[in-house]
Amino acid sequence: DAGITQSPRHKVTETGTPVTLRCHQTENHRYMYWYRQDPGHGLRLIHYSYGVKDTDKGEVSDGYSVSRSKTEDFLLTLESATSSQTSVYFCAISDPRKSYEQYFGPGTRLTVT
Amino acid sequence: AQTVTQSQPEMSVQEAETVTLSCTYDTSESDYYLFWYKQPPSRQMILVIRQEAYKQQNATENRFSVNFQKAAKSFSLKISDSQLGDAAMYFCAYRSSGGTSYGKLTFGQGTILTVHP
Repeated sequence: DAGITQSPRHKVTETGTPVTLRCHQTENHRYMYWYRQDPGHGLRLIHYSYGVKDTDKGEVSDGYSVSRSKTEDFLLTLESATSSQTSVYFCAISDPRKSYEQYFGPGTRLTVT
Repeated sequence: AQTVTQSQPEMSVQEAETVTLSCTYDTSESDYYLFWYKQPPSRQMILVIRQEAYKQQNATENRFSVNFQKAAKSFSLKISDSQLGDAAMYFCAYRSSGGTSYGKLTFGQGTILTVHP
């Protein structure tokens, strides 16, 4: 299994509070992604990174920000959590040197009350 | 933008039987990749099979095979000799082949597969 961890694995927070999810990889893959999974929608891309300090928006980026100061870490921040951000969040990694094969972390279940 | 559609929210199959999950996609690109991912109750995303659009031959991986119809933009997954461990959510996904796509995946809505003993 690819070395990808996510923390926390579960979190319950209140509306309006900031939340940061962390993705950590030990594979030295260049690209990292954040997806959210919701019933009826599959997985949707929130943000992605194509290098340290290089990030861009995905399909559902409103209300989220990201940062990548090191190759191995990709942080997803909900500046002010809303109930619509209750979801399961997946981090993934890939590398063009390895055919962009995408590997996923174990997921974080976030509940905003 | 590309879209991926899985029109079967749920499917069921008897153990040892064969089941086919459907996926259609929309793209204006000629070169791309298609994938099927399995998500068991553990929530882990597991790559089942991949297909490169420029290859006419359908991909196979043991009991899993695909029927790739490029002109029809259809990519179905056939599971033969179904096993209880095949029970999961299955996602179809699309990826552009160009480097500027940065490997991003577009997923379908998912199909829940139930396997009856």
